[in-house]
Amino acid sequence: EVQLLESGGGLVQPGGSLRLSCAASGFTFSTYGMRWVRQTPGKGLEWVSSISPNGHDTYYPDSVKGRFSISRDNSKNTLYLQMNSLRDEDTAVYYCARIMGRDLDSWGQGTRVTVSS
Amino acid sequence: DIVLTQTPLSSSVTLGQPASISCRSSQSLVHTDGDTYLSWLHQRPGQPPRLLIYKISNRFSGVPDRFSGSGAGTEFTLKISRVEPEDVGVYYCTQAAQTPLTFGQGTKVEIK
Repeated sequence: EVQLLESGGGLVQPGGSLRLSCAASGFTFSTYGMRWVRQTPGKGLEWVSSISPNGHDTYYPDSVKGRFSISRDNSKNTLYLQMNSLRDEDTAVYYCARIMGRDLDSWGQGTRVTVSS
Repeated sequence: DIVLTQTPLSSSVTLGQPASISCRSSQSLVHTDGDTYLSWLHQRPGQPPRLLIYKISNRFSGVPDRFSGSGAGTEFTLKISRVEPEDVGVYYCTQAAQTPLTFGQGTKVEIK
């Protein structure tokens, strides 16, 4: 069974940093691309970043480019999201999700990030 | 960016009756590989989204056959033939034809 378990969320002040992790199990992690998607009551679902199976290719929307960095450790079956220069509008539940083809076929339970002073 | 517009935004349905959700895209969702990357997600209260339908009409593993997807180009539809209690929640269309990946605003389905 595919399992994705996010961790690392919490309360952080504006301008601060946070590193999210996503532990994967139940599948061959190194053969799948992965994405981070966040969800807020106001803006709904928003794609945050993507990474190729070998980690060489990464993608970001303009809203987080230059502030967020996605990476992975295939030896540890773990996906990461380094978030710097956090803003109020980054407050959200962050999900990691597996890419099947170009679609997201499995999602984690999410980790909540709150940016507030 | 591609904008996905869902209608209705909420729907109250009698158990056993059909439901239908539309998703209109601001641009064609046909990828350069020839496939159309429009999928549907379902999110129950307090749960993460889960994939229901991918590439317009393909049911994901374990999805009941009362769910069906159709459409082409920029107009797509999700249909539930007979709504059951576990179908409550929010349904999202999403496109992966172009970067950035985008989502519809969601349609809340409740039981009447």
